[in-house]
Amino acid sequence: QKEVEQDPGPLSVPEGAIVSLNCTYSNSAFQYFMWYRQYSRKGPELLMYTYSSGNKEDGRFTAQVDKSSKYISLFIRDSQPSDSATYLCAMSAVRSSSASKIIFGSGTRLSIRP
Amino acid sequence: EAGVTQFPSHSVIEKGQTVTLRCDPISGHDNLYWYRRVMGKEIKFLLHFVKESKQDESGMPNNRFLAERTGGTYSTLKVQPAELEDSGVYFCASSPHEGTTNEKLFFGSGTQLSVL
Repeated sequence: QKEVEQDPGPLSVPEGAIVSLNCTYSNSAFQYFMWYRQYSRKGPELLMYTYSSGNKEDGRFTAQVDKSSKYISLFIRDSQPSDSATYLCAMSAVRSSSASKIIFGSGTRLSIRP
Repeated sequence: EAGVTQFPSHSVIEKGQTVTLRCDPISGHDNLYWYRRVMGKEIKFLLHFVKESKQDESGMPNNRFLAERTGGTYSTLKVQPAELEDSGVYFCASSPHEGTTNEKLFFGSGTQLSVL
C-alpha cells in the first residue's frame, strides 16, 4: 500500500466551479501537509502548507486536514482556466529540513474549461 | 532573483551510456535536494545535500547513481551506466538555511531523461 494515495484524474470542470482535490494517507506520523501546483514542463510550486488538523485559507484556495480520517483536501473557489495544472499533495513527519523527506502523492491533473 | 536551474531540460541516451545532470540552486541556499518521477508514479526523494555534504542519500536507487555538490554551490547527478528503468523526470530543489522548515522548497523545471 502506498503511503499517500491521490486520484490521478483527469478532472475537468467549467470555469467558476468549486474544485475539490483530495488525498488519503496511511502514516499517522505525518504532521505537515502541503499542496503543490505543477504546470506543464515546470517544477512543482508550493501552494499551501498546513500543520496538523484544521483549515487554512489563502485567497481562492482552502486546505483542510482531517488527521482522524487521514484525509486532506484542497478546495479551489471560482476556478479559472489558469488553475489548470497538476496538483500534488505532499506530507512529512518532521519539520526540520536536515531530517526531512517529503512524501508526494502522484498528482491530480485538473483542467478548467472556459 | 534567478530560480533553481537545471540542465539539460531533456536528454535522450542509449542504455549503457553515461549522463550527467546539473542543478544550480538559488544563490545562498544551503539545502539542495534531488527527486525523481518515473512515468505514472509519484515524485520520490533521492538525496539531500547541506552545503557540500550529503545529509541523506537513502533514496538513491543503486550505485550507478553518483551525486556531488562542488563547493556547496551547484550539484551534479551522474548515472553510469544508464538503464531503461532510469527514465523519468529528475527534479532538483533548494531551500535556504540548514535547520529551516522543509516546506519552503523551490523546485527547478526538471530534466526529462529518456534511456532507449
